[in-house]
Amino acid sequence: NAGVTQTPKFQVLKTGQSMTLQCAQDMNHEYMSWYRQDPGMGLRLIHYSVGAGITDQGEVPNGYNVSRSTTEDFPLRLLSAAPSQTSVYFCASVPSTGNTIYFGEGSWLTVV
Amino acid sequence: AQKVTQAQTEISVVEKEDVTLDCVYETRDTTYYLFWYKQPPSGELVFLIRRNSFDEQNEISGRYSWNFQKSTSSFNFTITASQVVDSAVYFCALSERTGGSYIPTFGRGTSLIVHP
Repeated sequence: NAGVTQTPKFQVLKTGQSMTLQCAQDMNHEYMSWYRQDPGMGLRLIHYSVGAGITDQGEVPNGYNVSRSTTEDFPLRLLSAAPSQTSVYFCASVPSTGNTIYFGEGSWLTVV
Repeated sequence: AQKVTQAQTEISVVEKEDVTLDCVYETRDTTYYLFWYKQPPSGELVFLIRRNSFDEQNEISGRYSWNFQKSTSSFNFTITASQVVDSAVYFCALSERTGGSYIPTFGRGTSLIVHP
């Protein structure tokens, strides 16, 4: 029972490159979301999903893409990385009851 | 407008002092959950406590205590006799069923520095 698995933990990208942050949960949760954490800004919502096939934008969606083809997986794609996307990214999973938040371990991304 | 406000950006105390971290939230839902998380320098998010909207009882866990007041929409966190190991960023979060789904919203965090 792994909970929320998020990979990679560390990544350095060059400006303009694309990459995918992977997030998988094995708890059959409906709700999954991606956040970025920047100093003094807390965790800001990038995109979220309320079930397979359903995604929506959060507070800071520009430059990111998501899909939810299965209940388990919710990858976050950086289409053309920019230095402003240097951040720590967290994936979260929430059951239908809403009473618990499960986090991945975080991904430290640097864009140079 | 922020749904979760942590007005204190940084707090600096000396070991053994008591410290209170404030959290004010905003919601129209009658059913919701509030959380506190700790983020130590290693970066992971560590769950501390959850409260649902129907349970206003305060809670104490060792040196930690939480005061939930619906009348003021606040969920404050107190550390008694702080220790250096308490140095971390603390986040307050709200999980409400907006639009039929629970997607958590976080405050900006309070950085607590405990000096020896």
